[in-house]
Amino acid sequence: SQQGEEDPQALSIQEGENATMNCSYKTSINNLQWYRQNSGRGLVHLILIRSNEREKHSGRLRVTLDTSKKSSSLLITASRAADTASYFCATDERKADKLIFGTGTRLQVFP
Amino acid sequence: DAGVIQSPRHEVTEMGQEVTLRCKPISGHDYLFWYRQTMMQGLELLVYFNNKAVMDDSGMPKDRFSAKMPNASFSTLKIQPSEPRDSAVYFCASSLGRTDTQYFGPGTRLTVL
Repeated sequence: SQQGEEDPQALSIQEGENATMNCSYKTSINNLQWYRQNSGRGLVHLILIRSNEREKHSGRLRVTLDTSKKSSSLLITASRAADTASYFCATDERKADKLIFGTGTRLQVFP
Repeated sequence: DAGVIQSPRHEVTEMGQEVTLRCKPISGHDYLFWYRQTMMQGLELLVYFNNKAVMDDSGMPKDRFSAKMPNASFSTLKIQPSEPRDSAVYFCASSLGRTDTQYFGPGTRLTVL
């Protein structure tokens, strides 16, 4: 399947630091979404960015989209221990008929 | 709204047994998705429905898996016979549109011994 790929696969930081995760995809998209998954729970939608947008903010989250490079990044500022989770990107690829989820980045925030 | 509801939350069964997972989507959502998540394969889409009709089941092993949606508020995923390699967490999700925000249930952790 044409999964998006997140980078890095795992990330460990201290509370208060910023965390940056990247997502790359293969084909043209209509939009890209980011989800969070806490251990043992279902995925929770964080933010959606459309293909004609370059940046979007939501609280401590900042998402950028570069369609020329087919990549997106999720920045979490001033991280907290509660941000410890896996983060997934999901792309609405124009040639697909469903969301394509990436492989995820595991973020560990140490207090 | 209570969100997407899945049952059971945990299921332990023996190889060869039939397993039925259940899902109640958010009211008014036309799309329902079944995913399987494992450490090795990550999140895999098994099947999804639009207005109770199967739209894509290409990710589902059809020899042993079957999915149904008899009405807009209920779906089942059945595995018969179950095998140890089916051990995973199965998620149900629903959405208003095909590629809109998906709302996930808490998952069913299936262990096949």
